[in-house]
Amino acid sequence: EDKVVQSPLSLVVHEGDTVTLNCSYEVTNFRSLLWYKQEKKAPTFLFMLTSSGIEKKSGRLSSILDKKELFSILNITATQTGDSAVYLCAVPHQGGSEKLVFGKGTKLTVNP
Amino acid sequence: DVKVTQSSRYLVKRTGEKVFLECVQDMDHENMFWYRQDPGLGLRLIYFSYDVKMKEKGDIPEGYSVSREKKERFSLILESASTNQTSMYLCASSLGAGGVNEQFFGPGTRLTVL
Repeated sequence: EDKVVQSPLSLVVHEGDTVTLNCSYEVTNFRSLLWYKQEKKAPTFLFMLTSSGIEKKSGRLSSILDKKELFSILNITATQTGDSAVYLCAVPHQGGSEKLVFGKGTKLTVNP
Repeated sequence: DVKVTQSSRYLVKRTGEKVFLECVQDMDHENMFWYRQDPGLGLRLIYFSYDVKMKEKGDIPEGYSVSREKKERFSLILESASTNQTSMYLCASSLGAGGVNEQFFGPGTRLTVL
């Protein structure tokens, strides 16, 4: 059974801190991993990772995949209150399906 | 920009009522999804549709059915609502045509069943 485990489940930091969110997975025929950010409502797409060791970056957010150790991390540098959200990690069911298996998410709170 | 809209943001229904949740996407996506999201359980897939009139069960289909008569519209039906179906319901769509594509989500419908 495909499995995605995120840690920590919640995190409280101060503005300006750097945070690292973790996502480990077990999936047959792994091909990709996706990160989403969910504020009050709809999750919004951040990154899709397919290759080990290649960092994807968007502003203060970056993510990397380790296919040998079966995990990904999402880094946020110089956090701002607007980064407060639930961050979701997902993998395609059995590797290649359009259906995604989501982790339970990490709730990040950034205090001023 | 892809837009996924859902018919209601908040809905309150009584036990036993038939409930329709509607979702519309405007980007000609092949795939559409219905999820429910509950604290501590995360996002769970209820049903998936990969084409008009085609559907596939997700992880928790019991108590739900779906309808996709037109490509842009995917409906979730609760035949007889129960209190344990109180939840946030999220619709999503993706391009399809093979491979893995990002899913675009609607704003969600918070359903309360009394």
